[in-house]
Amino acid sequence: AQSVTQPDIHITVSEGASLELRCNYSYGATPYLFWYVQSPGQGLQLLLKYFSGDTLVQGIKGFEAEFKRSQSSFNLRKPSVHWSDAAEYFCAVGGYGGSQGNLIFGKGTKLSVKP
Amino acid sequence: DAGVIQSPRHEVTEMGQEVTLRCKPISGHDYLFWYRQTMMRGLELLIYFNNNVPIDDSGMPEDRFSAKMPNASFSTLKIQPSEPRDSAVYFCASSPGRGGAGETQYFGPGTRLLVL
Repeated sequence: AQSVTQPDIHITVSEGASLELRCNYSYGATPYLFWYVQSPGQGLQLLLKYFSGDTLVQGIKGFEAEFKRSQSSFNLRKPSVHWSDAAEYFCAVGGYGGSQGNLIFGKGTKLSVKP
Repeated sequence: DAGVIQSPRHEVTEMGQEVTLRCKPISGHDYLFWYRQTMMRGLELLIYFNNNVPIDDSGMPEDRFSAKMPNASFSTLKIQPSEPRDSAVYFCASSPGRGGAGETQYFGPGTRLLVL
């Protein structure tokens, strides 16, 4: 069955430090992969997505993610974290069965930023 | 554009009462999704519609839950009767649908439901 694993429940980084959030997926074909961010009390907002082409994807707010098929991973990175990046981050996989609606989300990683 | 609109933002009710959550999708979007978010289970898809027609309701937990989309600009998720285990944040999302499975979903701010 399709699944998404985000191994880190909570990560704390210092402002200005680099960030990498891990995401592993289980999927039988080339997946559609997404990263969403949820600020406190808000809905989810798309950061970036991948479904073909260049395996390094650029997103909003200075984030990027790299698709590695051999590792079934789609890790999110940012070279220098800002205090406003504190939020919860969700990786999702979709597209199985060719269906629009079938997004499966990971449990999320909460990011805290130290001044 | 105002984005996806959900109401109410917060709902506190007593066990056994009927709860109705409302959603207005972004104009022109063909797909509408209802999700539930809890600490234990994370974000789960409950049901989604395409052009007002329910496509997949396999995530609806039980018969106490029902969802309708009477027109392209309005959907409801109803819980009757409500139970404490239904306490969660319920999100509505919409999508243009043109991009197929790779299309972005746009989320509303959510309704935080507490059933006492």
